Amino acid sequence: QVHLVQSGAEVKKPGASVKVSCKAFGYTFTAYAMHWVRQAPGQGLEWMGCIDAGNGNTKYSQKFQGRLTNTRDTSASTAYMELSSLRSDDTAVYYCARGGDGCVSYHFDYWGQGALVTVSS
Amino acid sequence: EVVLTQSPATLSLSPGERAALSCRASQSVSSYLAWYQQKPGQAPRLLMYDASYRATGIPARFGGSGSGTDFTLTISSLEPEDFAVYYCQQRNNWPPTFGGGTKVEIK
Repeated sequence: QVHLVQSGAEVKKPGASVKVSCKAFGYTFTAYAMHWVRQAPGQGLEWMGCIDAGNGNTKYSQKFQGRLTNTRDTSASTAYMELSSLRSDDTAVYYCARGGDGCVSYHFDYWGQGALVTVSS
Repeated sequence: EVVLTQSPATLSLSPGERAALSCRASQSVSSYLAWYQQKPGQAPRLLMYDASYRATGIPARFGGSGSGTDFTLTISSLEPEDFAVYYCQQRNNWPPTFGGGTKVEIK
């Protein structure tokens, strides 16, 4: 069945970068987009960006433009989210979530387990 | 971007009672609204999509309605496992956005 497995928790210093992976199982990886959503402690869900796993096209929230890079490795059925210039308010759980065909606004039917990123000096 | 406002922030109910959660959009999202359930320490789970379609494996006690700017998630009879936080999300406009959530707690 479909499931998404993310990399583990990370602790980073302010100004550093973090790269989170999301490996997909149980479906044709290149047929769907992968989205990234984050959740700060005790807060709601915030959409960050997506990648069309088929052609590699990306779209980002304006909030993260210039700091966020989504990539994928089709041979490994894995998507990556890299966030740079980390600040303390980037401390959050980062989720990957499967979207639709292409990087379009869609609902998210499968989610990874989340990866906690803590930014602290 | 479309702002989604969920109400109430917290709903205190007993098992067996009916729950009605509201999601209001700042502009029309047609029927392109989804609902998610999130339990502590877990990822969100898709419950409903396109306002009224249950996702795979979701029990029939969950129902969704609405279109345009006003939507409702209904749980006909609360089970113990239904006490959680619920989020709505729209996909009609770019970027996709989420509501702030409604916590359904045991009274």
